[in-house]
Amino acid sequence: EIVMTQSPATLSVSPGERATLSCRASQSVSSNLAWYQQKPGQAPRLLIYGASTRATDIPARFSGSGSGTEFTLTINSLQSEDFAVYYCQQYNSWPRTFGQGTKLEI
Amino acid sequence: EVQLVESGGGLVKPGGSLRLSCAASGFTFTSYSMNWVRQAPGKGLEWVSIIGIDTKTIYYADSVKGRFTISRDNAGNSLYLQMNSLRAEDTAMYYCANSLPGASLDSWGQGTLVTVSS
Repeated sequence: EIVMTQSPATLSVSPGERATLSCRASQSVSSNLAWYQQKPGQAPRLLIYGASTRATDIPARFSGSGSGTEFTLTINSLQSEDFAVYYCQQYNSWPRTFGQGTKLEI
Repeated sequence: EVQLVESGGGLVKPGGSLRLSCAASGFTFTSYSMNWVRQAPGKGLEWVSIIGIDTKTIYYADSVKGRFTISRDNAGNSLYLQMNSLRAEDTAMYYCANSLPGASLDSWGQGTLVTVSS
């Protein structure tokens, strides 16, 4: 099983600033990496797939990068609605696995 | 608009069974694999199972293998999860989500809560 490790667990950032979230895989997942956003009481929402492709209707301030074992989600000019928990997930092999999440707080 | 609506959750005793359903609409059901993902209270996401378009491609997380059975009805645009021998650690919100074959989880339902407790 591929273990996904996210850092940091909690990230405190001010509105308007940039946030950088990291995700590391225990073995290569190529570019088969997705990022999801989850707000309290809501279902997760797909943000990024293929490590760097934004999903439909996702604002351009969200960007993903990386391949192999190291990945980054960058959120520029943080808006109030961006404060949430973010999960990475690999879909390169079975079982699919998620990171433990990064909570982005004000 | 894609809609995934889960149902069937509730309170069940340890060792009991429950069948979850997910009604899908707004997309071509037979073009997508379907998944179950769960989230224990206050915890992260755990992928549970997937069933492919052909209904023959099926995978499970080790934590549910042998106890849970995933199935789908392509004519009725529905996904199911039969959960047997339930344990306290199965307590979670269960989400259904679609995915193109070999791809990420595109759209998610709002979830149905399963509580396993005596």
